[in-house]
Order: sequence, then structure tokens, then C-alpha cells
Amino acid sequence: AQKVTQAQTEISVVEKEDVTLDCVYETRDTTYYLFWYKQPPSGELVFLIRRNSFDEQNEISGRYSWNFQKSTSSFNFTITASQVVDSAVYFCALSVVSFNKFYFGSGTKLNVKP
Amino acid sequence: NAGVMQNPRHLVRRRGQEARLRCSPMKGHSHVYWYRQLPEEGLKFMVYLQKENIIDESGMPKERFSAEFPKEGPSILRIQQVVRGDSAAYFCASSGQGRTEAFFGQGTRLTVV
Repeated sequence: AQKVTQAQTEISVVEKEDVTLDCVYETRDTTYYLFWYKQPPSGELVFLIRRNSFDEQNEISGRYSWNFQKSTSSFNFTITASQVVDSAVYFCALSVVSFNKFYFGSGTKLNVKP
Repeated sequence: NAGVMQNPRHLVRRRGQEARLRCSPMKGHSHVYWYRQLPEEGLKFMVYLQKENIIDESGMPKERFSAEFPKEGPSILRIQQVVRGDSAAYFCASSGQGRTEAFFGQGTRLTVV
């Protein structure tokens, strides 16, 4: 069975602070994909990143970085120098190779205060 | 904009009415997925369809819900005799033949009053 756990329900930080959003996943498949999506107050889902299970390289994109560790089944997301516009709900998701389904975590609500 | 298009964006229905949600996949995509997001929750898989076929409906409620993806036209998620508990955001995603990527629409927010 597949499962994604985002233990942090809500996080509040002050602008310019760094913040890390945790994601732990479970799967028995050896080939899978991990994703992060941002859901701003307007409600749409904004794709941030996709990682496949064979690529453990960390990735940096501007203020965003992702740490993928298969040994701990984690795919954590860090925002450096947070901004008010980063305020949103962030979802981690898992899809096994067939892509029939995404398994979403319950989301972490990030509040960035000025 | 060649993205996944969902309409309407917002839908209000009275209890007992029918709700029809539409999803036009990205151009060239023949795989469609529907997800439901209840308030304050993550998205939950409902159904996966290819053109004219339901591949996996393991997440669909047993009654009142149905989905189709005809040869021509958008995919339709139909909810009959809606109840307040159906109030949620319904998202559609599509992928191409290789299914190596899936793109989400902006969602339809259903409110049952």
C-alpha cells in the first residue's frame, strides 16, 4: 500500500526565515515518483517538483530546495528566506510507476507573516 | 492555454439536485483522473479513465457518483441527488500515452446548500 504523511499540519514563520516542510512516504514499489504541489488561497494546484525513485540528487530552484532520502523514505522541502507570497498549503504526493493514482499527504499550511 | 480545463469553477446545488462537472484534458492526452478534496484535507483519488473506458474506480463512492470519458468531448463526473457531504473541490488531471506526467486542472468547487 502507498501512503504519504505530512506530520506538520500548520507552520507559521516570519518573513525571511527558512522553513522546512516534512514528507514521509511508504511504498513497496521500487519505481515511483514524488511530487510537491502548492495550493494558494485561490485553490488551484501549482506543480513544484517531480522526483523519480532512482534520482536521489537534491535539487535547488531559486529559494526552493528538496532533500530526497530513500534511506529514511523522506522528501523534504525547504523554502529559504520565506516571503508572504509563499503562504499556502503544500502537498507532498506519491505515484507508483503506472501513474494510475496520486497518493497525497494531508498538506501543511504555511503562514508567512510580514 | 493548452492546460487541463475544468468547468464550472464554482457550482452551487441544492440538496437532491444533480451536479455535472466537466474536464477537458490537455491536447493529446487520453488519460483522465478525478480527485476529491474535502475541506481541510488532501486530495483523494476517485477514478481513472481512458477514452470510453473506466480503468480504476476504486475511489468512487458506490452510489450516486459516476464518471465517463466519451470518445468525443470532455470527461464528466456526475453526482446525483447531492448531499451536503458532497461539498468539496473536485480536481481533474490528465496524462499522455506514456503516463510519465500528470497535469491538474484548477478544480471545481461544489457547494451543496
